[in-house]
Amino acid sequence: QVQLQQGGAGLLKPSETLSLTCAVYGGSLSGYYWSWIRQSPGKGLEWIGEVSHSGSTNYNPSLKSRVTFSVDTSKNQFSLRLTSVTAADTAVYYCARRMVQGGDCYYGHWGQGTLVTVSS
Amino acid sequence: IVMTQSPATLSVSPGERATLSCRASQNVYSNLAWYQQKPGQAPRLLISGASTRATDIPARFSGSGSGTEFTLTISSLQSEDVAVYYCQQYDHWPARATFGGGTKVEI
Repeated sequence: QVQLQQGGAGLLKPSETLSLTCAVYGGSLSGYYWSWIRQSPGKGLEWIGEVSHSGSTNYNPSLKSRVTFSVDTSKNQFSLRLTSVTAADTAVYYCARRMVQGGDCYYGHWGQGTLVTVSS
Repeated sequence: IVMTQSPATLSVSPGERATLSCRASQNVYSNLAWYQQKPGQAPRLLISGASTRATDIPARFSGSGSGTEFTLTISSLQSEDVAVYYCQQYDHWPARATFGGGTKVEI
């Protein structure tokens, strides 16, 4: 059974850089896109973007200028960096594995979520 | 593509049917998923391909629809079904996932 385990700092000051990791257990990074999705307090789900095992990326245009994804196949994990954070970036951040079936793409496995709070 | 869910909140008595709607601003064929999210938890996949239940999802959950109109039905609401439900579609060009705003189901 695939499990995603998230790590990273939960409290940041404005202008700092958010860094989160997602370690994959019980499966390989190969053959999938690995995604980051966030949820602001009391709000819905916002797709941040995704990275493949080979490093191909797709981004939410609204965040693209501040986001970097990376993959570490030796550790079987992938990472998110979001620069110049503000209070608007306060959210629970989730990692997830994108599944593909025909033209359908969906998220069958999720990390536990990391609450990131941006406050001075 | 914009995903619009209705209603925002749905109050249903135990054992009654709950019907949740999701509308896409463009044709997404049958490429639609539904998720359940309970407080403090990550979303859980319920339905993919508009109507295929995920592993271990009870049969009281069913999905239907295609094109731009989709429905998630809970045939007999249980107390453990109290949650927020989200629909989601994925654009391949440009690549992007979009979620609906959610429907909160309460007893």
